[in-house]
Amino acid sequence: GENVEQHPSTLSVQEGDSAVIKCTYSDSASNYFPWYKQELGKGPQLIIDIRSNVGEKKDQRIAVTLNKTAKHFSLHITETQPEDSAVYFCAPQTGANNLFFGTGTRLTVIP
Amino acid sequence: DAGVIQSPRHEVTEMGQEVTLRCKPISGHDYLFWYRQTMMRGLELLIYFNNNVPIDDSGMPEDRFSAKMPNASFSTLKIQPSEPRDSAVYFCASRRTSGGDQYFGPGTRLLVL
Repeated sequence: GENVEQHPSTLSVQEGDSAVIKCTYSDSASNYFPWYKQELGKGPQLIIDIRSNVGEKKDQRIAVTLNKTAKHFSLHITETQPEDSAVYFCAPQTGANNLFFGTGTRLTVIP
Repeated sequence: DAGVIQSPRHEVTEMGQEVTLRCKPISGHDYLFWYRQTMMRGLELLIYFNNNVPIDDSGMPEDRFSAKMPNASFSTLKIQPSEPRDSAVYFCASRRTSGGDQYFGPGTRLLVL
């Protein structure tokens, strides 16, 4: 199966600063690259995704960049706010249906 | 839409008892997934269904675990007999098409004493 690693495992930033989380994967056949946000006591929620034919995608303060050659993709959050505090998971998809979740990054935004 | 619905939200049981977790996917979604989340192992896919048919159950840890989907709007995950190491949060997720976005339910927090 896919070997997925996320870095860093924890990240603390001051409110208003940017946060970047990186995800590396092993299967070159991966073709779908989502990021999920999980708040305490809730299920993961998709926040942004990118497909293999695109290098970057942006949605307001959130962006995802993909480097297929190097087999990594990153989540960028600008102008961070306290409500961005959560655990973030990458989940590259290989094949039709399986998502392989990373180990998660706990982001804390300090007011 | 109400989203993916799971019940119960919390379950406390004693070792050896049978546990049944329930899931109602989003209407119109033809894929349903069961995940388990623990601190040690993170999020693990247990099994998924397409059009009510189990497609891949390679993530089911043992024969004590079984899952069914009798119709498009209902699925169960059963653990019999339960053990303390089964304690985890179990998530159900659904998706409309192959490769589309997965929508997760709120999870069932299971504690086996």
